[in-house]
Amino acid sequence: GQNIDQPTEMTATEGAIVQINCTYQTSGFNGLFWYQQHAGEAPTFLSYNVLDGLEEKGRFSSFLSRSKGYSYLLLKELQMKDSASYLCAVMDSNYQLIWGAGTKLIIKP
Amino acid sequence: NAGVTQTPKFRVLKTGQSMTLLCAQDMNHEYMYWYRQDPGMGLRLIHYSVGEGTTAKGEVPDGYNVSRLKKQNFLLGLESAAPSQTSVYFCASGPAAQETQYFGPGTRLLVL
Repeated sequence: GQNIDQPTEMTATEGAIVQINCTYQTSGFNGLFWYQQHAGEAPTFLSYNVLDGLEEKGRFSSFLSRSKGYSYLLLKELQMKDSASYLCAVMDSNYQLIWGAGTKLIIKP
Repeated sequence: NAGVTQTPKFRVLKTGQSMTLLCAQDMNHEYMYWYRQDPGMGLRLIHYSVGEGTTAKGEVPDGYNVSRLKKQNFLLGLESAAPSQTSVYFCASGPAAQETQYFGPGTRLLVL
């Protein structure tokens, strides 16, 4: 079966750095996506990795290791507005997204 | 440029009633998707479309039907609603299969 695992909830302090991990087992791999979802709102695109390595975009970075079936999202200089759920999704061999249940990130002052 | 819009935002149905959820996108995207989101679970694909006039089943299609008569619109129908269909429904669109999907604001459906 296909499976995406990520922690249910994490807590971090404003101004700090947090790493959200995602491991996956899917039938095929055509890229890994990270989305941000604020409570009651739509998921919004953050990053995309298809090759191994680190992709940096401002305060957010995403890393991929295809051989380990592993990715992480790194958030630096945390702000209160970063309190949200972070969704990991893998595009399988049929180009369909398989989604993790999301990691709820709580930022404390 | 409104992106992806969904109608209605919230609806309460009684078991056995029918309804249609409307999704519209103004980005000229070929691909459109309907997902449901339930607590503690990842988004699950209900149906999708790869272009005007086409539809295909996703992971959880039972109890739902869809139509894509116009490129910009994707309709999701519930013929006989059941309490198990209480969920938040998201529509998304994308320019191609492997490209980023852009989501609408969601429809919250409660079936009593």
